[in-house]
Order: sequence, then C-alpha cells, then structure tokens
Amino acid sequence: KAGVTQTPRYLIKTRGQQVTLSCSPISGHRSVSWYQQTPGQGLQFLFEYFSETQRNKGNFPGRFSGRQFSNSRSEMNVSTLELGDSALYLCASSLDSSYGMNTEAFFGQGTRLTVV
Amino acid sequence: AQSVTQPDIHITVSEGASLELRCNYSYGATPYLFWYVQSPGQGLQLLLKYFSGDTLVQGIKGFEAEFKRSQSSFNLRKPSVHWSDAAEYFCAVGAGYSSASKIIFGSGTRLSIRP
Repeated sequence: KAGVTQTPRYLIKTRGQQVTLSCSPISGHRSVSWYQQTPGQGLQFLFEYFSETQRNKGNFPGRFSGRQFSNSRSEMNVSTLELGDSALYLCASSLDSSYGMNTEAFFGQGTRLTVV
Repeated sequence: AQSVTQPDIHITVSEGASLELRCNYSYGATPYLFWYVQSPGQGLQLLLKYFSGDTLVQGIKGFEAEFKRSQSSFNLRKPSVHWSDAAEYFCAVGAGYSSASKIIFGSGTRLSIRP
C-alpha cells in the first residue's frame, strides 16, 4: 500500500510570507500528526488531527495551524514566516484511537522548508 | 514532565561489532516506548515498540530492546551491525491518543560504522 505522502518535498520562502504543506495519510488512517525537526530543538510535536478535529496540540505559536479534510488528508499552514521556522516538517499517520497505541505510526519523508 | 534522554550524541562501532544505544525516559504512567531510525533526508521508520508484556521486544533489521522499569530505561541492541545501519536513532515515548500523536522524542544518537 502507498505510504504517507508529503508535498512539496522542498520549499524556499521569504521571511514574512506564509506557507502551506500537505500530507496524505495511508488509506484508512484517520489520525494525522505533524512534527517539526530542527538541529537545535530536535523533533517536536505540532498538532494532531482526527476526524477533521484538532485533538492534540504542542507548544507552538498560533502562526502554526492545520486542518484535516473528510478524506483524512491534512494541511499545515505557517503564517508570517520567521528564519527560525526553517526545518524539516514531518507528517505521521496511524489508525484511529479505537486501536489505541498498539498500532504503528508511519512517517512521510517530510517537507524541507527554508526561510530566507 | 515527560521526557526522553539519549545520553550518547554520536557512536562509532566497527562493522560486525555489537551495539547498544542508551535511552532513559521520564513518564508518569505506563510508558508506550518506541525506537525509530532516520536515514539522511528521510522520514522516520519504526524499529520496534513496547506497550506491555514481555520486556524484551524484537524489531526489524535484527534490533531488539529491553524495557527496565526499575531503571526507566529502554536500550536498543543489535548483536552485529552492518554498514547499512549507519543512521540516526531516536528513542521516544507516546503520550497521545494514537501511536502517531504527541510522541516525545529523545535528541537522537547518530551511529557511524567503521569498515
């Protein structure tokens, strides 16, 4: 089966702009989470969407937002980009909570965002 | 606070030698523990996970890990490493409702293989 697909793979944006990243989960997966990976802060949880609702949120400013569509595809948006937003953004999907934690999370290859 | 500590930033081992990567966690309840591997420019791949039961868990690529509650540790081991094992390894604890949600990662250990 197809894995988690993230588009685009690479992006270069200018400070102050906004950006939208896309994530298509594995078919049947309803939980989609986003993570930011930087050399300084490591891997940090941004938020999780389940059934088109944000179910968990990490400690990021309101410039970071997301949404999930009825087909479970998710987008995340970063407004007013700052240099520090340069990072690898990873999306992960898993089966829904009725399966609990005893399932595997699958990660996409990520979107590399560079803010200049 | 929930946290994961990987004390070794970088480890180099010879091909064919054994490997142990250390991981300590801090979590109030029964932890859901994971080891992930990341090759350069790639996403994360799950090596193994522990939820309950047998404290020695087997994973893919010949890796295993042992959960020790008394030491709050979940160390990753492999009896004989291959050059293809060179990558970054992340220990993690799951704190959300699903296995993809609210994962708390350690800072990672970069593994290099000496020919």
